[in-house]
Amino acid sequence: GAGVSQSPSNKVTEKGKDVELRCDPISGHTALYWYRQSLGQGLEFLIYFQGNSAPDKSGLPSDRFSAERTGGSVSTLTIQRTQQEDSAVYLCASSFLSGAGGTYEQYFGPGTRLTVT
Amino acid sequence: AQSVTQLDSQVPVFEEAPVELRCNYSSSVSVYLFWYVQYPNQGLQLLLKYLSGSTLVESINGFEAEFNKSQTSFHLRKPSVHISDTAEYFCAVSGFSGGYNKLIFGAGTRLAVHP
Repeated sequence: GAGVSQSPSNKVTEKGKDVELRCDPISGHTALYWYRQSLGQGLEFLIYFQGNSAPDKSGLPSDRFSAERTGGSVSTLTIQRTQQEDSAVYLCASSFLSGAGGTYEQYFGPGTRLTVT
Repeated sequence: AQSVTQLDSQVPVFEEAPVELRCNYSSSVSVYLFWYVQYPNQGLQLLLKYLSGSTLVESINGFEAEFNKSQTSFHLRKPSVHISDTAEYFCAVSGFSGGYNKLIFGAGTRLAVHP
């Protein structure tokens, strides 16, 4: 079946511009995650959505970062007033969590490489 | 708080030699442990996982990892590596807190297999 897809695959933007990154999770997966992979910081958790619960935003680095998940499926990560330090690969993952809260493996998308010039 | 330490940033090894990639974690709660692999210019793929049960887990391509609770380790091993195993390997941990979970990753180990 189809895996997690992300778009665009590459994005170059000028400092100060806003960007939107999109993630389409695997159909039926209830949980969706955003991570950031950068040279200096490695892989960092950003935000987590699970069903209709309030998202866990504890990993967002600043208030310039926000994300939403519409209809329990597609998610958009928005970065406002981009800075050069925002340059990274942004990874989306999804997983299926049982009602008992069991953890299942996260399936990752190919990522969006963001370059802020 | 949970954290993951991968002790080696780079591991060079010759083809057909054995390899061990080390991973230690710290957590005050029960954890689930994962190894992910990232081949050059590709996304992250799950290699193997430990959730419960047998402490030795295996992947389909010959890797294995052993959960050692007393040493809080989850080292990844392969008895004979191939050129195609060249990749970056990430150890990750997740645990329960308030009914949700997220992955905490180590810094990664770059495995370079030479002919």
